[in-house]
Amino acid sequence: EVQLLESGGGLVQPGGSLRLSCAASGFTFSSYAMSWVRQAPAKGLEWVSFISGSDGGTYYADSVKGRFTISRDNSKNTLYLQMNSLRAEDTAVYYCAKDAGATAPEYFHHWGQGTLVTVSS
Amino acid sequence: SYELTQPPSVSVSPGQTASITCSGDKLGNKYACWYHQKPGQSPVVVIYQDNKRPSGIPERFSGSNSGNTATLAISGTRAMDEADYYCQAWDSTTVVFGGGTKLTVL
Repeated sequence: EVQLLESGGGLVQPGGSLRLSCAASGFTFSSYAMSWVRQAPAKGLEWVSFISGSDGGTYYADSVKGRFTISRDNSKNTLYLQMNSLRAEDTAVYYCAKDAGATAPEYFHHWGQGTLVTVSS
Repeated sequence: SYELTQPPSVSVSPGQTASITCSGDKLGNKYACWYHQKPGQSPVVVIYQDNKRPSGIPERFSGSNSGNTATLAISGTRAMDEADYYCQAWDSTTVVFGGGTKLTVL
């Protein structure tokens, strides 16, 4: 059974940093691309970032480019999102999502339960 | 940047067919997928690659994609189908979600 468990969310001041983690199990982690998707309170889904399974290629939404960094440690079956220069508008539940493919975005077959990030002074 | 447009809300009577549209420039040239999300839960894919159903998704869910519009149809709609529905596609190096449609089963 595929499981994705996010952690690392919390309250942070504007301009601060936070690192999210997503522990994966139940599948060959290195064979699949992964993404982070967020959802602001009472809002829709917003894709944040993508990383391929094999070559580590990354993509970012314009709203986070230059501030967020996605990475993965295939030896630990873990996905990360380093978030710097956080803004109030980054407040959201952040989901880790497993892609159906390995090298390019396709669709998100499995989702974690999400971790809440609140940016506020 | 690429955009996908959905109606904010759709209402349907139990047992009828609900149709939710998703519009984007030349969307028919891309693969579209659909998720539903119930309050307090994570999204679940119900249609991928335009018209394929993952295992465990009822046959009453179907999809199509042509021209500029992808459509999710739910036949014999049940109260349990009430949820937010999101379409998704990807363009170049960007994943795009539609704004979401709240399906109400009256």
